[in-house]
Amino acid sequence: DTGVSQDPRHKITKRGQNVTFRCDPISEHNRLYWYRQTLGQGPEFLTYFQNEAQLEKSRLLSDRFSAERPKGSFSTLEIQRTEQGDSAMYLCASSTLPDRWEAFFGQGTRLTVV
Amino acid sequence: GENVEQHPSTLSVQEGDSAVIKCTYSDSASNYFPWYKQELGKGPQLIIDIRSNVGEKKDQRIAVTLNKTAKHFSLHITETQPEDSAVYFCAASNQAGTALIFGKGTTLSVSS
Repeated sequence: DTGVSQDPRHKITKRGQNVTFRCDPISEHNRLYWYRQTLGQGPEFLTYFQNEAQLEKSRLLSDRFSAERPKGSFSTLEIQRTEQGDSAMYLCASSTLPDRWEAFFGQGTRLTVV
Repeated sequence: GENVEQHPSTLSVQEGDSAVIKCTYSDSASNYFPWYKQELGKGPQLIIDIRSNVGEKKDQRIAVTLNKTAKHFSLHITETQPEDSAVYFCAASNQAGTALIFGKGTTLSVSS
């Protein structure tokens, strides 16, 4: 297992288009997180799954954002009607018991909305 | 709201010198404090962490200290090397225990 995998690494889209990102966590990690990172800032929490259940959503996650983890393995993050302010790095992380806090991040998906 | 302040925002040192980065957090319920290193174009990499029942932790050239009373924690890197150059983030667990709150990062530059 090579760690958390995210796809694509880069995405350029026109304003108003929908985009979807995928995250494959470390095998058997039951916790999965999505964060957003803008230039010069630290990652900001978006949402968290335990297995297939989405247990928390940040107020940063507007109605245009939706995340799923249908079988408790990979996850997708979809942004509808993208806006220029959505341009950022979207990071996925995973963790598991016994140390639920030790989160491993993927390399991120860099989104540019033009 | 929950907040993590990190200082300095940039830090330049000579190879072999020590580097110290400091963070303060707002939520007394926070009990886990990791440090991440992020290189250009990559995701954050966990380098060391500390929990609220421990005051200090060391791993080779890296150490972290925690003062729960004052709500601050620090990263110490000794004998810095050029490959230590990166952006370093501190973080604290949130009140709900479900996510990390990150600082804004410190850009460390180590010149040889």
